[in-house]
Amino acid sequence: QSALTQPPSASGSPGQSVTISCTGTSSDVGGYNYVSWYQQHPGKAPKLMIYEVSKRPSGVPDRFSGSKSGNTASLTVSGLQAEDEADYYCSSYAGSNNLGFGTGTKVTVL
Amino acid sequence: QVQLVQSGAEVKKPGASVKVSCKASGYTFTSYYMHWVRQAPGQGLEWMGIINPSGGSTSYAQKLQGRVTMTRDTSTSTVYMELSSLRSEDTAVYYCARGYGHYGDAFDIWGQGTMVTVSS
Repeated sequence: QSALTQPPSASGSPGQSVTISCTGTSSDVGGYNYVSWYQQHPGKAPKLMIYEVSKRPSGVPDRFSGSKSGNTASLTVSGLQAEDEADYYCSSYAGSNNLGFGTGTKVTVL
Repeated sequence: QVQLVQSGAEVKKPGASVKVSCKASGYTFTSYYMHWVRQAPGQGLEWMGIINPSGGSTSYAQKLQGRVTMTRDTSTSTVYMELSSLRSEDTAVYYCARGYGHYGDAFDIWGQGTMVTVSS
């Protein structure tokens, strides 16, 4: 199972939007609607932000949204805030009870 | 409240084994899958495997097959992850995480992490 591909970094000014991509194959991202996104601040455990491509868990601001097209999923953070600066990881179900994570994207708020 | 509490940091020599525990509380233990995820220093997340606390069935990442074993004790609501034949590349923070969503593939509650250091 190869890691899903994410851009190493992304950035935006406060109030702007940033979109992070997560590219896999038809065996993972493209084959199932089971893509999740996680936010991780330094030294902390990851936090679930999006599950099943576009669903938000209770308590996650609606500034965070997810989508998918073909083998690529995306996370958009609208109205960037200072506290959104973190590492973001996607994950996808890959069949046969296997899961994989993306390579991770560091989001910087300028 | 719902929480997962993991055992403390470990230092092991190459070739040894380590067993990390994860005690669940605040929810019905047997109703949610449990995953293990690790993160090497400065690196990304790596999925290790999943256990169904209800029946004990498991599925492991192909890379770790033969070295990892996940078990559970329903009497104490605790899951365990044992990794054998440790090498330096296994140095990482190990997390347990509760499965969430229709397929239990998302991780909504995470343990605090357990640092495992493999060094001679």
